[in-house]
Amino acid sequence: AQSVTQLDSHVSVSEGTPVLLRCNYSSSYSPSLFWYVQHPNKGLQLLLKYTSAATLVKGINGFEAEFKKSETSFHLTKPSAHMSDAAEYFCVVSAPNTGNQFYFGTGTSLTVIP
Amino acid sequence: GAVVSQHPSWVICKSGTSVKIECRSLDFQATTMFWYRQFPKQSLMLMATSNEGSKATYEQGVEKDKFLINHASLTLSTLTVTSAHPEDSSFYICSARDSWGVAKNIQYFGAGTRLSVL
Repeated sequence: AQSVTQLDSHVSVSEGTPVLLRCNYSSSYSPSLFWYVQHPNKGLQLLLKYTSAATLVKGINGFEAEFKKSETSFHLTKPSAHMSDAAEYFCVVSAPNTGNQFYFGTGTSLTVIP
Repeated sequence: GAVVSQHPSWVICKSGTSVKIECRSLDFQATTMFWYRQFPKQSLMLMATSNEGSKATYEQGVEKDKFLINHASLTLSTLTVTSAHPEDSSFYICSARDSWGVAKNIQYFGAGTRLSVL
């Protein structure tokens, strides 16, 4: 089975400083990994995905994530936070052996301080 | 990009009534749609997986008679909350999966429906 652990329930950064949102996964099969962002009362928007191609994945809005198999991690980063980045972020894992069902982390709330 | 439309975005109903939520894939064919429930400040819980033309598969603990799911076409799935009660109040989110090309296995999410049962 698959599972995801988001290590921080809340992260606070100042505008213009780097963002790091941590995610560790567990999978008995080659996983696909995703980061989604959710703004208040909105649905989820795909930021980026890893599906066994390049380990460094670039997404929208300047976000990127690196797949590290040895560390079973898929941390999300951005060099410089913007006020509009304040939202809830979810790390997701899926794998073919479980029908590609999405397994969500518990989410990380990002606050950006002006 | 792929767009999923969910309607209504907000609904208030009286206890005992039924509410229908629609989920449409606007520019792609979705052979599989998913229904999630999200409690405040929590993650998404998968309720059921819906394949076009067949019965939905419900997750353990989800009452299939309370949460009726219909997926009659490749672009439309509906969730009907029957005889709603205050404990059914929640944020319901649908998603659709594109089964073609490189987009395979990505789920595109609707904007969600906030249900408040009085």
